[in-house]
Amino acid sequence: DSGVTQTPKHLITATGQRVTLRCSPRSGDLSVYWYQQSLDQGLQFLIHYYNGEERAKGNILERFSAQQFPDLHSELNLSSLELGDSALYFCASSVWGGWNEQFFGPGTRLTVL
Amino acid sequence: AQTVTQSQPEMSVQEAETVTLSCTYDTSESDYYLFWYKQPPSRQMILVIRQEAYKQQNATENRFSVNFQKAAKSFSLKISDSQLGDAAMYFCAYRSAADAGNMLTFGGGTRLMVKP
Repeated sequence: DSGVTQTPKHLITATGQRVTLRCSPRSGDLSVYWYQQSLDQGLQFLIHYYNGEERAKGNILERFSAQQFPDLHSELNLSSLELGDSALYFCASSVWGGWNEQFFGPGTRLTVL
Repeated sequence: AQTVTQSQPEMSVQEAETVTLSCTYDTSESDYYLFWYKQPPSRQMILVIRQEAYKQQNATENRFSVNFQKAAKSFSLKISDSQLGDAAMYFCAYRSAADAGNMLTFGGGTRLMVKP
């Protein structure tokens, strides 16, 4: 158990819908990262938040957005869902950025039908 | 942009034997970190070993060791005395040491099968 929690574990929805994935980092970790793992694209970095502020963006679609709240939990919002958005979404956290190890949550499996 | 390549989609090894997984990367940076992550069927991402680019000494963690060749931009993982529990996907990952570059860039993964 990494100490990072993600909810829900599984999510099944239809095309065009909107979903929210939630991540609670390890106690004391200020950085939260979101990654997407799909068959087509492999493991891709989406976005990084540090203490509530966006620090870096990767290959994140405009239909996707994220935020980190004052209590440091983070939410990833996916809207106008397409079949190709079906993937495993990981959240990872670290004490801060830099060298510190990123601890991964168990992931949320999103299936878009 | 950095890229990470794992040229072996699948590897197999006999239990108790040794196997080496390959990884190459492309970067113009001189300071960075390299990682190997294991993803078992549970899908959990588990850090296996890490290497700082400024260190010449290869990292080791129990049965796991790396061969880091900075000039060749190569970072292979050696698993000794393979166990059934080592069967998993293995991902090589790169992370810049630059302040803004904290994200991990992953290779495509190598599926390791361990035969009893």
